[in-house]
Order: sequence, then structure tokens, then C-alpha cells
Amino acid sequence: AQTVTQSQPEMSVQEAETVTLSCTYDTSESDYYLFWYKQPPSRQMILVIRQEAYKQQNATENRFSVNFQKAAKSFSLKISDSQLGDAAMYFCAYSGRDDKIIFGKGTRLHILP
Amino acid sequence: GAVVSQHPSRVICKSGTSVKIECRSLDFQATTMFWYRQFPKQSLMLMATSNEGSKATYEQGVEKDKFLINHASLTLSTLTVTSAHPEDSSFYICSASPQGYNQPQHFGDGTRLSIL
Repeated sequence: AQTVTQSQPEMSVQEAETVTLSCTYDTSESDYYLFWYKQPPSRQMILVIRQEAYKQQNATENRFSVNFQKAAKSFSLKISDSQLGDAAMYFCAYSGRDDKIIFGKGTRLHILP
Repeated sequence: GAVVSQHPSRVICKSGTSVKIECRSLDFQATTMFWYRQFPKQSLMLMATSNEGSKATYEQGVEKDKFLINHASLTLSTLTVTSAHPEDSSFYICSASPQGYNQPQHFGDGTRLSIL
């Protein structure tokens, strides 16, 4: 069975600074997707970034980028120039052949003004 | 972009009541939809896979007689919590993706269910 592990329950970063959220996963599949989702207090699930496992190039979306290490099964999220609106719960997630999404336990990110 | 609508957003009802939650894909067809449950301060846990025109597939530990899923059309899946009790109080959220390769899941805004 696939698993997703986020070892940082909470993190804080100063506004305008850079922060990295960690995630590791386990799977026996060769073709899969990895995601980072943001969940603000409204509890809406917002897709931040998506990585296809067969692509070696790390995905980027504006201030958000990932460090995808397939051999190590690691998928960290870097947020540059942190903004107050980035404060939220961040979930790392995995989706394989069956399209089911498996979520990590989440990291609560605080932005310090 | 693809939109998934979930209704109602909030339900408060008495113990023993059955509650129906709807998940609609507004501008695309979805043969498969997923239902998740999220308890306070926890992650989303997959409950079941809703399959259009056939029986839902439930994750281990999820009671299929308790959580009835119907996916009668390509744009609508419903989750009915039967004879709900306080321990069923949770945040329920659905997701769906357009048919085709490489399509991401889109989430509804969720339903907060409170059983008194």
C-alpha cells in the first residue's frame, strides 16, 4: 500500500523568507503523481503544485517549487517570498493508477509578520 | 476550469437522522468520484470510490451500509449517512476529475456535518 509521510506537524517562517516543507512517500508503482494541496481555514482544498513521476524536471508554480527525488521517494515543497496569505495547512499527496489520492497528515504553516 | 459543487455546505441534525450530501461536476463528466472524510485537525481519509452505474468501492473499515453511495449519472454522486450519530460528525469532501489522461482531481468545498 502507498503511504505519504509529513514529519513536520507545524512550521513557522518570517514574511518574505523562504520555507521548505518535507514529504516522503512509499510506493511500488512506477507511474504516479505527487501533489501539494493547501487548505486554508475555509477548508477548501487548493492544488498548489503537481509533479508527474516520469518527469525528472521539478515542477514550479510562481513562488512554489518542488524538489522531487524519485530514488529517495522524497517530495519537498519550497515557498519563496512567503506571504501572509500562505498561512494554511499543507498536505502532501500521492495518486497512482487508480486515481485515489492518499494524503499525508499535513503541516500547518504559520507566517510571521 | 473544471468545477465540482458540493451541497449542502453545512448540516446540523438530530441523532438518528439520515443525511444526503450531493457532489456534482458542473462542466464535465466523471465516471469516478471520490468521497473523503476529515476529522478536526486531521488529514483527509478516503472513504470510498463512487463508480457511475455500478457499486461503490469502500476503503477498509468504512461501513457500506452506513455510508450509502449512489452515482446514477456522469455528473452526480450522492453520499447518504444513514441513522447518523454524533461520532459521524465530520467534514465530508468529494473530488472528481474529467475523463481522459492526465486530468487532475477537483475538490468540492466540503460539507460540515454536525450530529446533535
